[in-house]
Order: sequence, then C-alpha cells, then structure tokens
Amino acid sequence: GQQVMQIPQYQHVQEGEDFTTYCNSSTTLSNIQWYKQRPGGHPVFLIQLVKSGEVKKQKRLTFQFGEAKKNSSLHITATQTTDVGTYFCAGPLIGWGGGADGLTFGKGTHLIIQP
Amino acid sequence: EAQVTQNPRYLITVTGKKLTVTCSQNMNHEYMSWYRQDPGLGLRQIYYSMNVEVTDKGDVPEGYKVSRKEKRNFPLILESPSPNQTSLYFCASSLLGPGGGEQYFGPGTRLTVT
Repeated sequence: GQQVMQIPQYQHVQEGEDFTTYCNSSTTLSNIQWYKQRPGGHPVFLIQLVKSGEVKKQKRLTFQFGEAKKNSSLHITATQTTDVGTYFCAGPLIGWGGGADGLTFGKGTHLIIQP
Repeated sequence: EAQVTQNPRYLITVTGKKLTVTCSQNMNHEYMSWYRQDPGLGLRQIYYSMNVEVTDKGDVPEGYKVSRKEKRNFPLILESPSPNQTSLYFCASSLLGPGGGEQYFGPGTRLTVT
C-alpha cells in the first residue's frame, strides 16, 4: 500500500547546529505537507508543497519537494530551543477513484536540542 | 477564534464501556478526520468525512464508528473499547480536504482503557 517513510526517527543536535529530516513516498504525491508537534501539543501545519522541485523558506526553515514528487525534506538552520518537537510530513492517499481519500503521515522525526 | 475542540481531553475507562469523544470545528470546513497517535507509529487515520453524511474508513477503522450529521461535529464512537485502543486521539478539519491544504488539529484526547 501507499507509504510515507520519514528518517531519522530521532535527531539530537547541539543548539546552533543544523537539522534535516527526510520524507520518501512509495508513490508520486500530488502535494506534501509538513507539520510540527511540540511536546504535549497537537500537530500544527507548517507548509504545503505542490510543484515538482519546489523550494520554500520560512525564516530558518527550508522545505524542498523532489523533482519526481516522491521525496521531500525539511532543513532547519542554526537550531534554537524553540525548534524542539516532532516534525511530520504527510501526503494525500489516492483512492481507487483517483481522488485524495485521506492523508498519510510519516512517523515523524523527534528533534532534541542540547543547549 | 478559529479552532477545533475535543472533549473530553482525558478519559480513563474500562473494557467494554461505550464512549464517545466529541469533535467540533467553527470554520465551516467540509473535511474532518480522526487520527490516533501511538509511540513509534506516528499518526494513523481512523475515519474521515468529506461532508455531512459522507464518511469513510481510514487506515485503522476497526473498533471505531463515526457520524457526521452536522457539518461542524464529527464524534468518534467506541462501542466496546479494548485496551489496545488506549491512545492519543486527534480530530482534524480542513477546508479543501486531504489534498488541499492545512489540516487544523484539535488539542487531543488521551484515552486509557483498562
């Protein structure tokens, strides 16, 4: 079945170091979304990428969507303690009719920052 | 304030005792869904609804029911809860559906079934 895989599962960094999480789909995605979940909180939408090869930036965060629309990455430059949390990618599940039936999430990358 | 609300936030119950977790959104969203989150497994979709009276199964629907009688509400029903349904549950809504943009998540309901 359609799967979205995300690595690494955990990432420990020193404050100020960079961080990257990678997302790979077994099928081509029409779009990919990224969410952040703080400890004890709920997922919060960060961004959606739609176009092949798209790159978007939000301050220290850089999001990329692969040329084949099967992979994506989130890169954080110079991490801060406020970046702590779990980062999820998510892609639409395509049903038999060809439309998006639901959303499948990667298992997430837990970012742990050591001051 | 645009939001998704869930109740209760915490629930401890016993095996077999029917329960309902409510979910409500005030954004006039057509698409709503339920997820469960378990350590190491991430977020898995239970059920979703494209509109009133339209619901469908997600990845892990066994043991759950839903209904969508009104646009704003999407309750999750556990007819006979079992310990393997102990989990953190999130309701979410969006304007355009799973492929169309931001999902707004509720604060979560932590359920323990003993």
